[in-house]
Amino acid sequence: SQQGEEDPQALSIQEGENATMNCSYKTSINNLQWYRQNSGRGLVHLILIRSNEREKHSGRLRVTLDTSKKSSSLLITASRAADTASYFCATASSSGGSNYKLTFGKGTLLTVNP
Amino acid sequence: ETGVTQSPTHLIKTRGQQVTLRCSSQSGHNTVSWYQQALGQGPQFIFQYYREEENGRGNFPPRFSGLQFPNYSSELNVNALELDDSALYLCASSPRGNRAATNEKLFFGSGTQLSVL
Repeated sequence: SQQGEEDPQALSIQEGENATMNCSYKTSINNLQWYRQNSGRGLVHLILIRSNEREKHSGRLRVTLDTSKKSSSLLITASRAADTASYFCATASSSGGSNYKLTFGKGTLLTVNP
Repeated sequence: ETGVTQSPTHLIKTRGQQVTLRCSSQSGHNTVSWYQQALGQGPQFIFQYYREEENGRGNFPPRFSGLQFPNYSSELNVNALELDDSALYLCASSPRGNRAATNEKLFFGSGTQLSVL
């Protein structure tokens, strides 16, 4: 089952603009991660934010986490054509010291037009 | 580019057949997870291996099975293939310090695209 749900499903912007993607989830988490996928191939880890953190930055990426609303957002500033990809949020959970797993949403397809 | 390699990259099988997919984890990584990604969906957790033992399983039937070897490479086996098994199968590795680690990122391979006809 999908826990994280990204919004919007698709986003088209011009190069240089900022892109914001949102993610909502349902259950308690250890952390929330964002991944990028190009053309249906392997996923690349972008950023991890722990459940006790509220905001994190990495280069042009800014992630926020609101555990009271069970939501997160990913902001990509000054977008480039090379940022065109699908972006997934994934919530990490575990039970009894095992079964650590990521539960992914359906993703946001970002298209950055030159 | 991660150091996780998967083989083959593409595979075509017919319904009822069996398939084995392979994954070499990144050097120094002792944990391997397998995910299934159907077209237009996010990856779904199949199972995970930590130091050659299964360490969690998702909602997949027993015909999905796996192995992890002493060098931490892994196999995913699917028996009695069904049409709905057509998907991209992703392997991910991580350098887990202990079984109960809860804050780690995954390093994914490029996947095996399986088509069941």
